[in-house]
Amino acid sequence: DAKTTQPTSMDCAEGRAANLPCNHSTISGNEYVYWYRQIHSQGPQYIIHGLKNNETNEMASLIITEDRKSSTLILPHATLRDTAVYYCIVRVANKGSSNTGKLIFGQGTTLQVKP
Amino acid sequence: DAGITQSPRHKVTETGTPVTLRCHQTENHRYMYWYRQDPGHGLRLIHYSYGVKDTDKGEVSDGYSVSRSKTEDFLLTLESATSSQTSVYFCAISESGGRGQETQYFGPGTRLLVL
Repeated sequence: DAKTTQPTSMDCAEGRAANLPCNHSTISGNEYVYWYRQIHSQGPQYIIHGLKNNETNEMASLIITEDRKSSTLILPHATLRDTAVYYCIVRVANKGSSNTGKLIFGQGTTLQVKP
Repeated sequence: DAGITQSPRHKVTETGTPVTLRCHQTENHRYMYWYRQDPGHGLRLIHYSYGVKDTDKGEVSDGYSVSRSKTEDFLLTLESATSSQTSVYFCAISESGGRGQETQYFGPGTRLLVL
């Protein structure tokens, strides 16, 4: 699975959009980009994922560059409850029996939403 | 939220004693995982299961064993706990185990302290 690079920390004002970048320059054509977050002392929470096209759900939007070497997670109106560590993960959609399905979590970006 | 519970939520034990952590799901998902989370290491996969009585090792399986006698329960056992196994343990479940698009849903975690 491709490695990802994220900034260590970011701040965002409450009510503003939070844009979290992720570089995955070695991503392969069959690898998806997943975003999870972990609020303090809780288990990781799935946010969104995508392959090539931009994606949007009730939590966030995912913008993937045309060359797929980077992506941005957008929280359109950040609240204090969005303060968390955000993980960008790339993982192959493997149809073989050998894939464990494990997620490789890096250090993530600590997002601090401030009043 | 996915129906995943972990028990106990907190445990303090002594070196050399056996410890069993339980993960219970109500989603009837085939795949279950045990991760540990430590500062500076992120989440690391210990063991996973791809069906009843079907389990395999993850990247940090030494000192741990697992069992899955029912779809809904996945047990993690530390045969003889050591201080290096002090950690937060997370259980996760998924439908397809990495084949195609799928997401993992995490439990609330168990905090284990080995004295």
